Amino acid sequence: AQSVTQLGSHVSVSEGALVLLRCNYSSSVPPYLFWYVQYPNQGLQLLLKYTSAATLVKGINGFEAEFKKSETSFHLTKPSAHMSDAAEYFCAVRHNQAGTALIFGKGTTLSVSS
Amino acid sequence: KAGVTQTPRYLIKTRGQQVTLSCSPISGHRSVSWYQQTPGQGLQFLFEYFSETQRNKGNFPGRFSGRQFSNSRSEMNVSTLELGDSALYLCASSLQELGTDTQYFGPGTRLTVL
Repeated sequence: AQSVTQLGSHVSVSEGALVLLRCNYSSSVPPYLFWYVQYPNQGLQLLLKYTSAATLVKGINGFEAEFKKSETSFHLTKPSAHMSDAAEYFCAVRHNQAGTALIFGKGTTLSVSS
Repeated sequence: KAGVTQTPRYLIKTRGQQVTLSCSPISGHRSVSWYQQTPGQGLQFLFEYFSETQRNKGNFPGRFSGRQFSNSRSEMNVSTLELGDSALYLCASSLQELGTDTQYFGPGTRLTVL
């Protein structure tokens, strides 16, 4: 069965600092991996996805993630945090080999202080 | 192009009642998935429909059911509501049913069971 573990339910950074949100996955099929962001009282928005092409994936708003098969990881990074990045971030892996359904991690709340 | 719409946005029910939630996917999208989001369990996959057929199902009791219509609109139904069913129910649509497809999420329906 597929699963995702997000290390750290809450991460706090200063504006301008590096953002690193950790995600490890377990998958019995070739993994497709996704990062979504959720702002308060809103649905989820896709930041980026890995679907077996380039291992370094660039997304929206300056975020990127690197797929590392040997470490079963897909950590999300951003070189310089903005106040507007404060939100909840979810890592997800596809449910199985057919369909688009996703299995999500528990989420990481990112706080950005000035 | 309009995004995923969900109706109603807020709903209050009492234990034992049943409820029906509606989801209209992005025009042209044929796959619809449903998720339940709670503070304790996080985001959990309920089911996925493609071309009116249920393709994947999560680990929820039979009280949770869904269907998809020929125009790709989807409904989910919860019978005999329990307090623990209080949650944000999110619908997501995608163009096809490929694992690489991006899921686009609606704003959710907030269900409160009293």
